[in-house]
Amino acid sequence: GENVGLHLPTLSVQEGDNSIINCAYSNSASDYFIWYKQESGKGPQFIIDIRSNMDKRQGQRVTVLLNKTVKHLSLQIAATQPGDSAVYFCAENNQAGTALIFGKGTTLSVSS
Amino acid sequence: GAVVSQHPSRVICKSGTSVKIECRSLDFQATTMFWYRQFPKQSLMLMATSNEGSKATYEQGVEKDKFLINHASLTLSTLTVTSAHPEDSSFYICSAKTDLSGQAFFGQGTRLTVV
Repeated sequence: GENVGLHLPTLSVQEGDNSIINCAYSNSASDYFIWYKQESGKGPQFIIDIRSNMDKRQGQRVTVLLNKTVKHLSLQIAATQPGDSAVYFCAENNQAGTALIFGKGTTLSVSS
Repeated sequence: GAVVSQHPSRVICKSGTSVKIECRSLDFQATTMFWYRQFPKQSLMLMATSNEGSKATYEQGVEKDKFLINHASLTLSTLTVTSAHPEDSSFYICSAKTDLSGQAFFGQGTRLTVV
């Protein structure tokens, strides 16, 4: 079935460190993946996406890596800042390719 | 990026009443809108997918007669929680996109509390 999960529920880092958040997915047919950031009481905010024909994509301070062989997705945040503290979700297309299915979420806590 | 607006952001209602939540795409036309529900410290769970002018497609386990979805225009979808009960208290989030392959933009969510 469709299952997008995360390896770690919480991640605590010091300001300035690099953060890596991981995600495992089960739908080998998924061709589109997105990372979202959600702050308390707000809707998800788009961070970066990647299609299955790529294995790496970079944005501003963020990099997404896709390993289709092991069905693994990761989000790397460089020079993590306190404002990066939030819950991070990976999402993938559902089996029909019509909607996004979200993983469980990782809480990122950044201390000064 | 495109803006999706939800209203209200918070609502408290009495058990047994109905509540309507609106989701609007402000600067683009959304052929498809999605409704999610999120319980505390949990992920977003897809409830239904709605296409403009047609009936919504509900996920397994979501009661279509309880969660009425209307997508009457390309910029507005509504979710009505009928005969609300305390267990319906949750954070409801909508998203919208222009086509099936496009990026989905999310609203700010609606906190529903049923007392």
